[in-house]
Amino acid sequence: DSGVTQTPKHLITATGQRVTLRCSPRSGDLSVYWYQQSLDQGLQFLIQYYNGEERAKGNILERFSAQQFPDLHSELNLSSLELGDSALYFCASSAASGSGTDTQYFGPGTRLTVL
Amino acid sequence: LAKTTQPISMDSYEGQEVNITCSHNNIATNDYITWYQQFPSQGPRFIIQGYKTKVTNEVASLFIPADRKSSTLSLPRVSLSDTAVYYCLVGDRGSTLGRLYFGRGTQLTVWP
Repeated sequence: DSGVTQTPKHLITATGQRVTLRCSPRSGDLSVYWYQQSLDQGLQFLIQYYNGEERAKGNILERFSAQQFPDLHSELNLSSLELGDSALYFCASSAASGSGTDTQYFGPGTRLTVL
Repeated sequence: LAKTTQPISMDSYEGQEVNITCSHNNIATNDYITWYQQFPSQGPRFIIQGYKTKVTNEVASLFIPADRKSSTLSLPRVSLSDTAVYYCLVGDRGSTLGRLYFGRGTQLTVWP
């Protein structure tokens, strides 16, 4: 158990819909990262927040957005969903601001299925 | 951005030592090398990190030659439960994790 929690575990929805994925980082960690993993794309970094502020952006679509709240939990919002958005979404956290040497602790993931 | 190259897959038998080599020709002076392990439908898990020569912990060793253009993750006496994908990353203290490249990793399959 990494100490990172994600809800829900599974999510099934239809194209065009909007969903929200939630992540609680390990106690004391200030950085939260979101990743998307699909069968044909591998693990893709989406976005990182550090202490409430956006710190780094990866291959995140405009239909996706995220935020980190004062209690440090984070939400990833996916809208106008398409079939290709079906994937595992992981949240990770780290203690510091997210340098290339920080250890990331990953949550169990949310499996999103878009029908 | 220092990308890495790893074999797509490797096979081994229980009890053998497994060495997975990662190439990172463009590694920068301040870059560290980090390895993660991922089981199916689970998030990656940190295994080991190093800068040069050799690092050892309770699960693995990491060998880094003097030129640091490659690194080798060594798993001693693997078991069936070591079947997983292994990712090699390089990054420095000044870069953000957003610049790290997970790649496709190496699928290690351990056979009985």
